[in-house]
Amino acid sequence: AQSVSQHNHHVILSEAASLELGCNYSYGGTVNLFWYVQYPGQHLQLLLKYFSGDPLVKGIKGFEAEFIKSKFSFNLRKPSVQWSDTAEYFCAVNGGGGSQGNLIFGKGTKLSVKP
Amino acid sequence: EPEVTQTPSHQVTQMGQEVILRCVPISNHLYFYWYRQILGQKVEFLVSFYNNEISEKSEIFDDQFSVERPDGSNFTLKIRSTKLEDSAMYFCASQIGAQRQYFGPGTRLTVL
Repeated sequence: AQSVSQHNHHVILSEAASLELGCNYSYGGTVNLFWYVQYPGQHLQLLLKYFSGDPLVKGIKGFEAEFIKSKFSFNLRKPSVQWSDTAEYFCAVNGGGGSQGNLIFGKGTKLSVKP
Repeated sequence: EPEVTQTPSHQVTQMGQEVILRCVPISNHLYFYWYRQILGQKVEFLVSFYNNEISEKSEIFDDQFSVERPDGSNFTLKIRSTKLEDSAMYFCASQIGAQRQYFGPGTRLTVL
């Protein structure tokens, strides 16, 4: 079955700490991978996406993610978090090729950054 | 950046009542989606819509649900007879071609 797993439910960090949020997926065939962020009271916003090419993708606000096909993983990283990164982060996948397909989301990871 | 809008932001209804959730996708987008997120659970796909018809739907999207694009701008989700378990945040998304999906802010539906 197609699924996305985010193993960390809630991560608490101090400012300037490094961040890595895990994401593993189960999906047949080629994939497109996404990280969305939802700040408190706001809608889902795209942080970054992978369609093809360089498996290390850079997104907005200093975030990056690495697609490791052999591990079915797409972990999100940021070298130094800020208080304003407090939000919920969702990993999602859909089928590669033309990405008009529905997104399958993970359960989300809530990040709390202490000032 | 262009935005998807949704109304209302919060809808409270009695069990068994019909509700219509409204979305205005980004104007030149061609693919439209509804997702929902029950409190504390993951975002789940409901239905996708392209060329004035449903292109894909999930098991959640049963006969109680329907979608329409009545006037070329609005994209609506109707729940005919709401159940308690329909209480959730409902997100609309739109997409143009092989690009990312843009999400609206969501409508919180509370069924009493």
